[in-house]
Amino acid sequence: QKEVEQDPGPLSVPEGAIVSLNCTYSNSAFQYFMWYRQYSRKGPELLMYTYSSGNKEDGRFTAQVDKSSKYISLFIRDSQPSDSATYLCAMSVPGNTGKLIFGQGTTLQVKP
Amino acid sequence: DGGITQSPKYLFRKEGQNVTLSCEQNLNHDAMYWYRQDPGQGLRLIYYSQIVNDFQKGDIAEGYSVSREKKESFPLTVTSAQKNPTAFYLCASSIGARQTTGNTIYFGEGSWLTVV
Repeated sequence: QKEVEQDPGPLSVPEGAIVSLNCTYSNSAFQYFMWYRQYSRKGPELLMYTYSSGNKEDGRFTAQVDKSSKYISLFIRDSQPSDSATYLCAMSVPGNTGKLIFGQGTTLQVKP
Repeated sequence: DGGITQSPKYLFRKEGQNVTLSCEQNLNHDAMYWYRQDPGQGLRLIYYSQIVNDFQKGDIAEGYSVSREKKESFPLTVTSAQKNPTAFYLCASSIGARQTTGNTIYFGEGSWLTVV
C-alpha cells in the first residue's frame, strides 16, 4: 500500500462546477499538507498549505484536512478552463528533512 | 525575479552516457531537492541537501549523483548506471528542512531527459 493514495482520474467537469479532489494517507504522523497544481510540461506550483486538521480558504480554493480519517480534500468553486491541470497532494515527512511524499496526481479538465 | 532555474529544458542522451542537469536558485534557500516524475507515479525523491557540502540519498538514488558546492547550485548527474533514465526531472528548494508553517517547497520548471 502506498503512503499516499490519489485517484489519477481523469476528471472532466463543465465550467462553473464545484470540483472535489481527494487524497488518503496511511501515516498518522503527517502534519503538513499541501496541494500543488501542475500544468502540462511545467513544474508544480504551490496552491494551498495547511497544518493539521481543519479548513483553509484562498479565493475559489478550499483545502480541508481530516486527520481522524487520514483524508484531505481540495475544493475548487466556479471552476474555469484555466483550472485544467494535474493536481498533486503532498505531505511532509516527519523528521525535519524537508522531504515530501506525493500522491499520483489527479488530471482535471474543465470544459467551456 | 527570484526563482529556481533548471537547464536544459530538453535533453537527449545516448545509451551509456552521463548527463548533468543544472539547478540554480536565487531564493537564498538552504535546502534543495531533486525529484523524478514518471507518468502515473507522482514525484519521487532522488537526492536532497539541507546545507552546502552535504547531501543525502532519497528513495531512488541509484544511478544518480549530486554535488552541493555552493548554496545556489545543486546539479544532478544521471549516470549510465541508471537503467531507465527517461523522465521529467524537477529541482526544488525550501528555506530549510525543518517542518514549520510556511516552510514550503518551491519547484523549478523541470528538465525532460530522453534516452535515444
